[in-house]
Amino acid sequence: DAKTTQPPSMDCAEGRAANLPCNHSTISGNEYVYWYRQIHSQGPQYIIHGLKNNETNEMASLIITEDRKSSTLILPHATLRDTAVYYCIFLHGSGNTGKLIFGQGTTLQVKP
Amino acid sequence: KAGVTQTPRYLIKTRGQQVTLSCSPISGHRSVSWYQQTPGQGLQFLFEYFSETQRNKGNFPGRFSGRQFSNSRSEMNVSTLELGDSALYLCASSLGGGRDYEQYFGPGTRLTVT
Repeated sequence: DAKTTQPPSMDCAEGRAANLPCNHSTISGNEYVYWYRQIHSQGPQYIIHGLKNNETNEMASLIITEDRKSSTLILPHATLRDTAVYYCIFLHGSGNTGKLIFGQGTTLQVKP
Repeated sequence: KAGVTQTPRYLIKTRGQQVTLSCSPISGHRSVSWYQQTPGQGLQFLFEYFSETQRNKGNFPGRFSGRQFSNSRSEMNVSTLELGDSALYLCASSLGGGRDYEQYFGPGTRLTVT
């Protein structure tokens, strides 16, 4: 199954940018990178996804390296409510529609 | 637009019993996926349904089954419950379940097996 590597935990000061890295060296050319987060006791929440180009939406920005082997999720102005576990995921191989493989993710702690 | 709803939210069952959980996807979404979340194993994929057909399946025993109705609502069933089945069961819906579609998760059903 698809393999991503993320740091287990990170801290960020409230109001500062949070940069969450992810390595996905086995990603192939047509695999999208997805980011989700899970706030304690809630269902995971979709954040953003991308293929090759950098993407931005109202929640975050996604920077994908040119070789696509790593990406960074950027929360531009972190708030206390952004404290959560962040998952970097990609769908590996054909036929794996609807199947997200969650790793351990990064626990982001936003501190006042 | 209403989000993904799951019923019931909490459930307590006894070993050996069976249980049925329900998931109503976002209107217009045709794909429903189910996941199990435990402290030890994290989030694990159970199966995915699209247009009433199981399209993908994870590595769970046959005691775990599901189905999808013509209105895209889905149910999952666990028979002969074991203590290890205690978990948060999450369903997620998406437009097509392909690689370019984000999934939206419900709040989950917390199942406790005693």
